[in-house]
Amino acid sequence: EAGVTQFPSHSVIEKGQTVTLRCDPISGHDNLYWYRRVMGKEIKFLLHFVKESKQDESGMPNNRFLAERTGGTYSTLKVQPAELEDSGVYFCASSYGGGSTEAFFGQGTRLTVV
Amino acid sequence: GESVGLHLPTLSVQEGDNSIINCAYSNSASDYFIWYKQESGKGPQFIIDIRSNMDKRQGQRVTVLLNKTVKHLSLQIAATQPGDSAVYFCAETVLNTGFQKLVFGTGTRLLVSP
Repeated sequence: EAGVTQFPSHSVIEKGQTVTLRCDPISGHDNLYWYRRVMGKEIKFLLHFVKESKQDESGMPNNRFLAERTGGTYSTLKVQPAELEDSGVYFCASSYGGGSTEAFFGQGTRLTVV
Repeated sequence: GESVGLHLPTLSVQEGDNSIINCAYSNSASDYFIWYKQESGKGPQFIIDIRSNMDKRQGQRVTVLLNKTVKHLSLQIAATQPGDSAVYFCAETVLNTGFQKLVFGTGTRLLVSP
């Protein structure tokens, strides 16, 4: 069974540009989460989808970040316009739901804004 | 606010030794704790978890201890191997119908010398 996959694995963009990250969760997982790790700091929660609905987006840093999960399958996280402080590793995770307590993480997308 | 911290950023051990990685948490409401291992270029990988109604849980070569009185969590790795070299994160959450909003610590890098 395929795990959580993220695209791209690396992205280098200039300040002011737009970047879209994609996450494909494990098939059948209703819960999808986005986290990010800024260099040298802890991994922080960004938001949580249950199917196509945003359950909790309290971790989204500002309105330059937009996450979607149309159809309740894959999700995208768009940063527009990107700023230098957005650099870091963005992780996606998914879990089955129904009381499941284990979330599976993707390999992450390393975003560098220059 | 919520915080999960680690006492040591780097831990160096010899192959065959036992390793102990520590973590402090501050949210008294947290009732579920997880240890993750992250190898270079990969996402966090679940190692072991423990619920707040337990104080010890054992897996294969790993043991997690929870001391709710002092809000302390530890991961013990027996007979540490070079393949155990990675960054280890503790995470805490309040379980709610299968939803996980994890609060991570900054991570401890474990270096295992042959």
